[in-house]
Amino acid sequence: GQSLEQPSEVTAVEGAIVQINCTYQTSGFYGLSWYQQHDGGAPTFLSYNALDGLEETGRFSSFLSRSDSYGYLLLQELQMKDSASYFCAVRDPLSGGYNKLIFGAGTRLAVHP
Amino acid sequence: SAVISQKPSRDICQRGTSLTIQCQVDSQVTMMFWYRQQPGQSLTLIATANQGSEATYESGFVIDKFPISRPNLTFSTLTVSNLSPEDSSIYLCSVSDRDGSYEQYFGPGTRLTVT
Repeated sequence: GQSLEQPSEVTAVEGAIVQINCTYQTSGFYGLSWYQQHDGGAPTFLSYNALDGLEETGRFSSFLSRSDSYGYLLLQELQMKDSASYFCAVRDPLSGGYNKLIFGAGTRLAVHP
Repeated sequence: SAVISQKPSRDICQRGTSLTIQCQVDSQVTMMFWYRQQPGQSLTLIATANQGSEATYESGFVIDKFPISRPNLTFSTLTVSNLSPEDSSIYLCSVSDRDGSYEQYFGPGTRLTVT
């Protein structure tokens, strides 16, 4: 079966750092992506890890450990506008499509003043 | 990056009718995807729409209920047929702008309410 586990909700204050974890179990694996979705908006791509290690893009970083089937998204210097849902997604070539994504349930991040 | 538009943005439909959702991309793309998302929930892939061939449906989704057209490399439609209240959801199209790309771009979604 295919499954991705991530926390349902995370709360933090402005300026803080928050880590959103994602563990996955899929029949194949090409890489782990992260998407951000504000209420009423479309998901937007944040980052992608195909190899072990940390990828940094501004205030956001993403980490992958293929041996542990685990990754996380790290958000630094939190701002109110970061309040959104964050989805991890796996590219699973064995599910029939090279670009097919399997999404986790999403983590709702609430940033407070 | 690809820019995607969807029509309609929202609609309220009666039980038993159908709704066709259009997805337009500003550039030619190989693969287009249709997702369903209940408010506050995850995205579930309905099907992959490929130009020049039939759509590939995911488990639990069938062509009779969700017929898809892909007449060219910039346009696709998804029809939700024989509507029931359980079909109330947000429907999103997305694209990969090139084969092997790990990034997908999403349209703004169509919010469907079935009464």
